[in-house]
Amino acid sequence: QKEVEQDPGPLSVPEGAIVSLNCTYSNSAFQYFMWYRQYSRKGPELLMYTYSSGNKEDGRFTAQVDKSSKYISLFIRDSQPSDSATYLCAMPLDSSYKLIFGSGTRLLVRP
Amino acid sequence: GAVVSQHPSRVICKSGTSVKIECRSLDFQATTMFWYRQFPKKSLMLMATSNEGSKATYEQGVEKDKFLINHASLTLSTLTVTSAHPEDSSFYICSARDSTSGGYEQYFGPGTRLTVT
Repeated sequence: QKEVEQDPGPLSVPEGAIVSLNCTYSNSAFQYFMWYRQYSRKGPELLMYTYSSGNKEDGRFTAQVDKSSKYISLFIRDSQPSDSATYLCAMPLDSSYKLIFGSGTRLLVRP
Repeated sequence: GAVVSQHPSRVICKSGTSVKIECRSLDFQATTMFWYRQFPKKSLMLMATSNEGSKATYEQGVEKDKFLINHASLTLSTLTVTSAHPEDSSFYICSARDSTSGGYEQYFGPGTRLTVT
């Protein structure tokens, strides 16, 4: 079992839809969670990070963590074609600051 | 804030030559930087951790003599691909961690596309 699992998609939604992106993880020691967005042929961009269970909101984005289920989600409200990208979840492996990444979910928002 | 640059963005070189890629944190200091490689439609593969003033730590299977890393200052790390071969063609991305941050966030550069002919 991989330490971090993420559905590769692609996930295709119409413009304006609410998007739900998810990751599951196996190591209960993970305490810090990040979401990155990567456009084609670009470096990943940090969207959100959180280190507690519950929700964290930033504009149209909401990160949700359920440590009891080892499940994290990223919700995008009022999705736009410009949101079309690959979304990666990430968690620190240990105190070395290395990150474990999910495989990424490719999102396509249709105009 | 938290901007990381990479240079060059794209490079084509001949087999057998060496190529240097620079990674700079523009508005923060980074004692720790990371170098990744990414194949098309694949996730990031960590190659090595670069620590300012000390030797880099390489991941298993990464040849340290082929991928030379130098982190001479708090804002600059370089990756040199020595004696490049076509199989080294890839997208190389660096990231940096803000030394003053208590968190684990990494900020990524825009990447360098290397093509070895």
